[in-house]
Amino acid sequence: GQQVMQIPQYQHVQEGEDFTTYCNSSTTLSNIQWYKQRPGGHPVFLIQLVKSGEVKKQKRLTFQFGEAKKNSSLHITATQTTDVGTYFCADLSGTYKYIFGTGTRLKVLA
Amino acid sequence: DADVTQTPRNRITKTGKRIMLECSQTKGHDRMYWYRQDPGLGLRLIYYSFDVKDINKGEISDGYSVSRQAQAKFSLSLESAIPNQTALYFCATSYGSGTDTQYFGPGTRLTVL
Repeated sequence: GQQVMQIPQYQHVQEGEDFTTYCNSSTTLSNIQWYKQRPGGHPVFLIQLVKSGEVKKQKRLTFQFGEAKKNSSLHITATQTTDVGTYFCADLSGTYKYIFGTGTRLKVLA
Repeated sequence: DADVTQTPRNRITKTGKRIMLECSQTKGHDRMYWYRQDPGLGLRLIYYSFDVKDINKGEISDGYSVSRQAQAKFSLSLESAIPNQTALYFCATSYGSGTDTQYFGPGTRLTVL
């Protein structure tokens, strides 16, 4: 079956450094959603990407969908301690159910 | 979201016991989901339901069963709990069209001894 892998699994950065997580699939991705889960919390929706090559921005966060729709990325510029958490991508699989990636846990050191 | 609630929030049980985890939502969504989260494995779909009469198996349904008692209620049962079912369980809902954002409950931490 489809596998959605994220790299890296963990990332520690100094506050102010940039951070990128990559979402890769064994099959062509359909619609990609990104979620953030704060420590001890539940996943919260960030954004959805649909089109090949699509780029969306939310303040310091930039989301990109690969041209071949085989990968997606989330880039955070100048990380802050509030960015701490685990970031998940999720790909639409079949009829409106999503396959979640393995997640990237971000730790920001002040 | 407070619109999606899960009970209990924490549960410790013993091998072989039957356990039910409950999920309720006030968002008016038709679609409901149960996931389990394990470190390094992300969120894996156990069961999902697109309306009261619709129940579908997800990636890892073995050892689990569900009941959709009403549009707002979706319960997950472990008929005979085993230690490798120790995990964090999330219920989620979605509207079913457009962006189809999933809204997650606060989670239930289950420990099977």
